[in-house]
Formats: sequence, C-alpha cells, structure tokens
Amino acid sequence: EAAVTQSPRSKVAVTGGKVTLSCHQTNNHDYMYWYRQDTGHGLRLIHYSYVADSTEKGDIPDGYKASRPSQENFSLILELASLSQTAVYFCASSAFQSAETLYFGSGTRLTVL
Amino acid sequence: QQKVQQSPESLSVPEGGMASLNCTSSDRNFQYFWWYRQHSGEGPKALMSIFSDGDKKEGRFTAHLNKASLHVSLHIRDSQPSDSALYFCAASEGTGGYKVVFGSGTRLLVSP
Repeated sequence: EAAVTQSPRSKVAVTGGKVTLSCHQTNNHDYMYWYRQDTGHGLRLIHYSYVADSTEKGDIPDGYKASRPSQENFSLILELASLSQTAVYFCASSAFQSAETLYFGSGTRLTVL
Repeated sequence: QQKVQQSPESLSVPEGGMASLNCTSSDRNFQYFWWYRQHSGEGPKALMSIFSDGDKKEGRFTAHLNKASLHVSLHIRDSQPSDSALYFCAASEGTGGYKVVFGSGTRLLVSP
C-alpha cells in the first residue's frame, strides 16, 4: 500500500515564527499535495506539485509556501505563522491518471500561539 | 456554497444497523466520486470509488451514484463500532488530483 509519512506529528509555534512541515512518500507518485483540515470545512487544498522543483497554488495558498526538492519530498512552509493557521495539515500523493485516488499521511497538528 | 455538500453532519446508529450517508454536488462537470474514511488521529483513506451510475458493492459497503441528480450515497450494512469515523465525499471532473473537491464530512458513531 502507498506510504506517505509526515513530520512532525504535532507542533506548537509562536505567532510570527517560521514553521516547516515535511512529507515523504515512497509510492513513486508524481503528484503531491498539502491539505488543511478545519472543522466544518473538510479538506482544502493549499499547494500541490506534479514534478520536482515545481509547485502550484491550490485553493487557499495565501500565507503558505511549498517546496518539492525531489519526487519523494514535499514541504509546507509558513514564513510568518498566524493564529488562523492553527489546523491539522495533511500531505497526500497520487499517480498521474484520470480518477486518481489520493493517499494521505497521518497529519500534523499545528497550534500557533 | 460548497460544491460538494454532505448530509447529515452527524449520524448515530446501533451496532448491526444500517448507516446511510448522502452527498450532493453542484457541479455537473464532476464525473468521478469517492468516499474517504478518517478514523480519529489518522489521515483519510479511500473507502470506495464510483464512476458509473448505479450501485457498487464492496462487502458491507454499497455506494450509489446518480449523475443526473448529482447525488451519491454510501450505505453501510451491519454497522460495527470500528466503522465510527468521519466520512468524506469527494468529487472530481477529471485528470489531476488537484481537481478533487471534498465535502465537509459526516461523523458516524456506531454504538455497541
């Protein structure tokens, strides 16, 4: 089965600080994604990437940057963390084909104080 | 308005009972639908996909799709406490996982 690993599992950050969330996949998938989960909003796409060294904006990219240094690794960067960015973040991967199933990691719970 | 709306927000059924979850989309371009399940403390995991009108059965789970009415449902027969989770409906218009849109979820509680 597809494997997506996220680190850390949880993090507490201070307002205005920099936060980096990491994701590693061993599925040989071209696509990787970062989602945010908030109660009542389901999963919302922040950034995605379909090839190393290239990232694309999703539906809610403001306040976030992404980096894909290799096919296996994808990071989400909060340069200036804010209270409103407290949420659970999920990384996912998928193959490039029609009707792709997404494979998610276990998530990172981020609390910004 | 969300493109994918789920109902109910929460559902409680007794062990052995039938759970029915509903999902309606507002975009006629959606062609592909999934149900994802998320247990507490874990990431979502694909439960079933359905791409053609009609029923698709996998064990105790049956998905039903009606593209004309933009409605997809999930029925869980003989519900078990381990089925207690957050269920997401997801829809996509085509190639590219970035096109997948998720509903806000239905929380299912199965009581022993």
